Amino acid sequence: ELKVEQNPLFLSMQEGKNYTIYCNYSTTSDRLYWYRQDPGKSLESLFVLLSNGAVKQEGRLMASLDTKARLSTLHITAAVHDLSATYFCAVDSSGTYKYIFGTGTRLKVLA
Amino acid sequence: DAGITQSPRHKVTETGTPVTLRCHQTENHRYMYWYRQDPGHGLRLIHYSYGVKDTDKGEVSDGYSVSRSKTEDFLLTLESATSSQTSVYFCAISEVDSGSSYNEQFFGPGTRLTVL
Repeated sequence: ELKVEQNPLFLSMQEGKNYTIYCNYSTTSDRLYWYRQDPGKSLESLFVLLSNGAVKQEGRLMASLDTKARLSTLHITAAVHDLSATYFCAVDSSGTYKYIFGTGTRLKVLA
Repeated sequence: DAGITQSPRHKVTETGTPVTLRCHQTENHRYMYWYRQDPGHGLRLIHYSYGVKDTDKGEVSDGYSVSRSKTEDFLLTLESATSSQTSVYFCAISEVDSGSSYNEQFFGPGTRLTVL
């Protein structure tokens, strides 16, 4: 059974600080996805990581993928309040049409 | 934004009544999904569809049924709603690329369902 684990589940950080969210998954998969969800809103796609060693950056967020370690990271650089949200990683289960989501990391950036 | 709508957006109903939620897309994507989101559980897959009339169960399908009679619509039915089905329900769509690899999902705005 494919499992996706994120840590930490909750993260409170000061503006200007750096931090990393980790996403581990339990089986082989070709792609990994990161989403953002603001309170009371839907999920918005942030990154699609296509292969081992893939790195993508958008503003203060950078995501990377290590398929051998079955690990993706979402790095936050010099956090700002606007980054406060819940971040989900997801993996598509090879050979099926299904996506499995982590439980999410709730990020709160304190001014 | 991907053209995905959900209806209704909010619903309050009583235990034992049937409820149908609708997901409508204008993207002509083949794959459609229903998830529920509850605190502490992230998103859990209820049912999904890989084409018209082609559906399958997800991890939390008990008490739910789905139908897809045309590409653009995916219906989720609670035959007899229970309080444990109080949740936020999200529809999502996706498509494969030319290399048969899956792309990211696009999500609808969600339906908040309360079962009293």
